[in-house]
Amino acid sequence: QQQVKQSPQSLIVQKGGIPIINCAYENTAFDYFPWYQQFPGKGPALLIAIRPDVSEKKEGRFTISFNKSAKQFSLHIMDSQPGDSATYFCAASVSRAGGKLIFGQGTELSVKP
Amino acid sequence: DAGVTQSPTHLIKTRGQQVTLRCSPKSGHDTVSWYQQALGQGPQFIFQYYEEEERQRGNFPDRFSGHQFPNYSSELNVNALLLGDSALYLCASSLGLGDGYTFGSGTRLTVV
Repeated sequence: QQQVKQSPQSLIVQKGGIPIINCAYENTAFDYFPWYQQFPGKGPALLIAIRPDVSEKKEGRFTISFNKSAKQFSLHIMDSQPGDSATYFCAASVSRAGGKLIFGQGTELSVKP
Repeated sequence: DAGVTQSPTHLIKTRGQQVTLRCSPKSGHDTVSWYQQALGQGPQFIFQYYEEEERQRGNFPDRFSGHQFPNYSSELNVNALLLGDSALYLCASSLGLGDGYTFGSGTRLTVV
């Protein structure tokens, strides 16, 4: 019940395309859903996060869509660029329980020029 | 504004040895969490320190221990190293017990 399942494992898109990464969870106590971007040799960097009281959040070219009833959320990257090539992780946590992050398995994104 | 600083960046140890990894949190942050990231996997929570006490612990054996100092910096100790302990160890800091983590670049530990 603590798992967060992420798909696909890898994704290749052309520059300007809109890659979509999906995550699903079981624990209905989760109330914070962040997405992280990780480049080789670096730690994860927070991209965007959402709470279950909204269904969509946009920050620049990044959009989170959240479906509370289906217990799913997804990341869309608009107008993707080669510099977006990285590994993306979804995560979930229970804020009032101290915020321990449960991560998905990661998606390796490659944006071709 | 310094982010999360971890040392060393790389480390090679022999099976059975002990290792200590260090973390300085982002300025203004008082909570430190440690994660283990195996190659090709997502980070897994080890434990969290706040007010110099371990507040939460993940599913890791007692060989993994930690400490937080009055200046909020933290250490992760691993005893009796196994080959399977080879991973990237990430430190994340935050203000209080909640969200908004900032991660360091990690320490790459290789056990041979």
